[in-house]
Amino acid sequence: DTAVSQTPKYLVTQMGNDKSIKCEQNLGHDTMYWYKQDSKKFLKIMFSYNNKELIINETVPNRFSPKSPDKAHLNLHINSLELGDSAVYFCASSPSQGRAKLFFGSGTQLSVL
Amino acid sequence: SQQGEEDPQALSIQEGENATMNCSYKTSINNLQWYRQNSGRGLVHLILIRSNEREKHSGRLRVTLDTSKKSSSLLITASRAADTASYFCATDAGQAGTALIFGKGTTLSVSS
Repeated sequence: DTAVSQTPKYLVTQMGNDKSIKCEQNLGHDTMYWYKQDSKKFLKIMFSYNNKELIINETVPNRFSPKSPDKAHLNLHINSLELGDSAVYFCASSPSQGRAKLFFGSGTQLSVL
Repeated sequence: SQQGEEDPQALSIQEGENATMNCSYKTSINNLQWYRQNSGRGLVHLILIRSNEREKHSGRLRVTLDTSKKSSSLLITASRAADTASYFCATDAGQAGTALIFGKGTTLSVSS
């Protein structure tokens, strides 16, 4: 059983399109995250939800909108995709906010053409 | 700006040798964690060391923490080809409700 699963694994799309990435965790964790990893492998926090509530919203364009229908799911919707959005997006979860270790999904490689 | 900076950026060694990676950070921390990322995969947690700890071991891994120098090191002993991966340190910013902040990582290549 995959603990943190995200789909799709690869996403190739044209500039201007809207796309979504889905994430689900079966660990019973309270907190979920979206991280973005750029081509130089730098990993940057984007959002964090705790029990469906947004607790971290870093400086991310408002074209990115996370949605958490329940504490096991955290989806990421991106509007009007731009070339600079190309990256690998990782979902992660942790038992609680902040200091606990993270469990990562396998990533979604987004390529905007 | 990012919290952790790993050094070196890349490291190439032979199987059986030890690999040492360093991490420096800027602000006070509650704990520091090390993660491994294999190519094309998500990050996997390796070890967590609390700010009041100086050294921790897990199998072939040894982590040290020097809070006075704001630095940590990860030592992998008797490396194997399967250890080839990127290694990241991650720190919390010291405030409840904040996310881990990752460094840029060290890419380790172990050749047989």
